[in-house]
Amino acid sequence: NAGVMQNPRHLVRRRGQEARLRCSPMKGHSHVYWYRQLPEEGLKFMVYLQKENIIDESGMPKERFSAEFPKEGPSILRIQQVVRGDSAAYFCASSPVDGRRGYTFGSGTRLTVV
Amino acid sequence: EDQVTQSPEALRLQEGESSSLNCSYTVSGLRGLFWYRQDPGKGPEFLFTLYSAGEEKEKERLKATLTKKESFLHITAPKPEDSATYLCAAGEGGSEKLVFGKGMKLTVNP
Repeated sequence: NAGVMQNPRHLVRRRGQEARLRCSPMKGHSHVYWYRQLPEEGLKFMVYLQKENIIDESGMPKERFSAEFPKEGPSILRIQQVVRGDSAAYFCASSPVDGRRGYTFGSGTRLTVV
Repeated sequence: EDQVTQSPEALRLQEGESSSLNCSYTVSGLRGLFWYRQDPGKGPEFLFTLYSAGEEKEKERLKATLTKKESFLHITAPKPEDSATYLCAAGEGGSEKLVFGKGMKLTVNP
């Protein structure tokens, strides 16, 4: 039973390029959450999705960031025109029904913008 | 604004030296207090959820407790393999998101 799978594990992008981060939830989990962890900071909520629906995107920056969780395939966090300040670890988590009993996190994607 | 504060930020213990980690929270309508463990380069690993004041949960050398404003993670007779960053998070009422503290880095020396 594979856990939450994130890829790539490490991603290097030049300023102005696009970054695509993928997350496959645990089998049987239909809720996906994205968090960002900046150096020396705690995890910050970005977005909560169910299949084909964005439920809560209150933590998403207003520009350049978008997320989707299509009917088929992984959830995607997309960052357009990356800047140095986007460098961080991005974690995806999933839960079976809702997050009340805690999520299962993936190992994260470490984005470095050069 | 909802906040979670963990103290101390870092803690060094000798193997077998028990201690406690503190997590204070200000969250409207707390729906749960969560503890996670995070090892370097990995994602957080779920430990406990506490739902109401007075509740306690245990797992091996770890015991978590909850009051109306704080949670404590007690570590009894720690071993070097308990070295990790411990994260506390509060679940907001009416929302699925978690508000995390900055974490507490625990080092247990043999």
